[in-house]
Amino acid sequence: DIQMTQSPSSLSASVGDRVTITCRASQGISNYLAWFQQKPGEAPKSLIYAASSLQSGVPSKFSGSGSGTDFTLTISSLQPEDFATYYCQQYKNYPRTFGQGTRVEIK
Amino acid sequence: QVQLVESGGGVVQPGRSLRLSCAASGFTFSRYDMHWVRQAPGKGLEWVAVMSYDGSNKYYADSVKGRFTISRDNSKNTVYLQMDSLRVEDTAVYYCVEQREVYWGQGTLVTVSS
Repeated sequence: DIQMTQSPSSLSASVGDRVTITCRASQGISNYLAWFQQKPGEAPKSLIYAASSLQSGVPSKFSGSGSGTDFTLTISSLQPEDFATYYCQQYKNYPRTFGQGTRVEIK
Repeated sequence: QVQLVESGGGVVQPGRSLRLSCAASGFTFSRYDMHWVRQAPGKGLEWVAVMSYDGSNKYYADSVKGRFTISRDNSKNTVYLQMDSLRVEDTAVYYCVEQREVYWGQGTLVTVSS
């Protein structure tokens, strides 16, 4: 199975900060990488697919990059509604696997 | 609009069975693979199973292989998850998710406890 490792596990940031989350795959997955946002008590929301493609309706402050084994999710200017947990997921192979999550908290 | 509505969750004893259902609407269900994803309380997301649009292919997470069975009825726009030999560690919110993982259900809570 492909292991996905996110870092950091949590971070504290201020409104307006630029935030970067990284995700590393245990083997190459090309660009078969998605990012999800989850707020407490809610289902996850898809932000990015194919490593860098924004889902419809997702604001452009979110961006993704990477290919192969190393990926990043960047939030250009953190807003109050962005405080949440973020997960990466590979969909190159079954079983699909998620990273352990990165909790973004208010500083 | 797309809707995915899970049902069938509840409290069950270890070793017993439970069947989850997910009723889909707002899209051509028979053209889409369907997934189940779960989340234990306070934990991260875990992909559980997928069934192809026509039912010809199924894949499972190692943690549920041999105990859970995914199925679907395209005439009813419904996907199922039959969960047998349940364990305490299967306690989670179970989400039904369409192929592209854009649309998720609200989740149904399964609690396995004696």
